[in-house]
Amino acid sequence: QVQLKETGPGLVQPTQTLSITCTVSGFSLTSYYMQWVRQTPGKGLEWMGFIRSGGSTEYNSEFKSRLSISRDTSKNQVFLKMNSLKTEDTGVYYCARDRGSHWGQGVMVTVSS
Amino acid sequence: VQMTQSPSYLAASPGESVSISCKASKSISNNLAWYQEKPGKANKLLIHSGSTLQSGTPSRFSGSGSGTDFTLTIRSLESEDFAVYYCQQYNEYPLTFGSGTKLEIK
Repeated sequence: QVQLKETGPGLVQPTQTLSITCTVSGFSLTSYYMQWVRQTPGKGLEWMGFIRSGGSTEYNSEFKSRLSISRDTSKNQVFLKMNSLKTEDTGVYYCARDRGSHWGQGVMVTVSS
Repeated sequence: VQMTQSPSYLAASPGESVSISCKASKSISNNLAWYQEKPGKANKLLIHSGSTLQSGTPSRFSGSGSGTDFTLTIRSLESEDFAVYYCQQYNEYPLTFGSGTKLEIK
């Protein structure tokens, strides 16, 4: 059974770095690419980027300068790191498998001092 | 690619049929997906490649279109269909979503 679960800090201060982990089960990260998508009040759903099955990455240029996606295949985990957070980054962050066949439930992140 | 989805809100009764439009600012071939969002549940991929039903999607859902104009149609609405629907193009980076259509019970 395919499962994805995001875990993150909940609250992050402005200018700080956000780190979210997506832990997957039921499939191998070396066989599927993984996306990160977020949903914010200001912009709705935004595709952030993905990491391919081979490990290369593609980013939305909107975030490229401050976003990093990586993974640990031995732990079945994919990581999102985004620095220089602003209040507008408040929203729900999702990981999704391949074209979106499976999504996590998302993790709410609030950027506030 | 900008994705313009309409209407943003739709009220219908069970048993009725509804259609949701998604227009791309440039041609995206048939590289379009439709998703369903429901509170407390993971987003669900309904249709990809414009008109191909994802495994598990009920046959009352259908997608059509190519190029710039796409439509999601739901026939004979059931109670579980009342949700928010999004289109997404994956023809070019960055992948982009429509703004969503909230389908509510009339």
